[in-house]
Amino acid sequence: AQKVTQAQTEISVVEKEDVTLDCVYETRDTTYYLFWYKQPPSGELVFLIRRNSFDEQNEISGRYSWNFQKSTSSFNFTITASQVVDSAVYFCALSEGINTGTASKLTFGTGTRLQVTL
Amino acid sequence: DSGVTQTPKHLITATGQRVTLRCSPRSGDLSVYWYQQSLDQGLQFLIQYYNGEERAKGNILERFSAQQFPDLHSELNLSSLELGDSALYFCASSVGTVGGELFFGEGSRLTVL
Repeated sequence: AQKVTQAQTEISVVEKEDVTLDCVYETRDTTYYLFWYKQPPSGELVFLIRRNSFDEQNEISGRYSWNFQKSTSSFNFTITASQVVDSAVYFCALSEGINTGTASKLTFGTGTRLQVTL
Repeated sequence: DSGVTQTPKHLITATGQRVTLRCSPRSGDLSVYWYQQSLDQGLQFLIQYYNGEERAKGNILERFSAQQFPDLHSELNLSSLELGDSALYFCASSVGTVGGELFFGEGSRLTVL
C-alpha cells in the first residue's frame, strides 16, 4: 500500500528564517509521482510541484526548493526566507496506479502546519 | 482560481438528511476526484471518475454515492447523514493523463447538526 508520512505536525518560524518540511513515502511502484500542495487559511488546495520517480534533480522556484532522494524515499520542501504569507498547511502526496496506465488518485500525508510570525 | 467549481460552499443540515454536492471540473479535464477532509482523518480519497465511468474507489461509505454526467460535471450524494460526516469535501479534476496534477475546488463545508 502507498503511504506518505509527514512527521512534523506543526512548525513555527520567524519571518526570514529558512524552513524545511519533511516528506517520506512508501510505494511498491517503480514509476510514481510526488506532489506538494499548499492549503492556506482560506481552505483551498493549491498545487505547488510535481516530480516523477525518474527525475531526481532538485528544483528551485523562487524561494521554494525541493529535494527528492529516492535512496531515502524522501521529497523534502524548503522555503527560503520565509514570509508571513507562507503560513499554511502543506501536504505531500503520492500518486499510484501508474503501472495500470490510468490517471491516478493521490495519497496525501497528514500535512505540516507552518506558522510564520513577524 | 483553479477552474474547478464546487457548490454549495457551505451547507448545514441535520442528522438523517441527504445532501448533494456538485462539482464542475476544469474545461477539458476528463477525470474527477472526490476527497473528504476532516480533522481526525485528514484528506481521504473517496472516489474517482474518468469520462463518466467510475475508475477508483477509496474509503467511501455505502451511504455515499457519486456519478459523473455526460457533460463531465459530478455530484456526490451523502445520505443518512451522521455527525461524523461533518467535513470539508473537495472535488478535484485532472486531464486524466498518468501522473497529472490534480486541481482542487474550494471545497464544500458540510456541517451536520
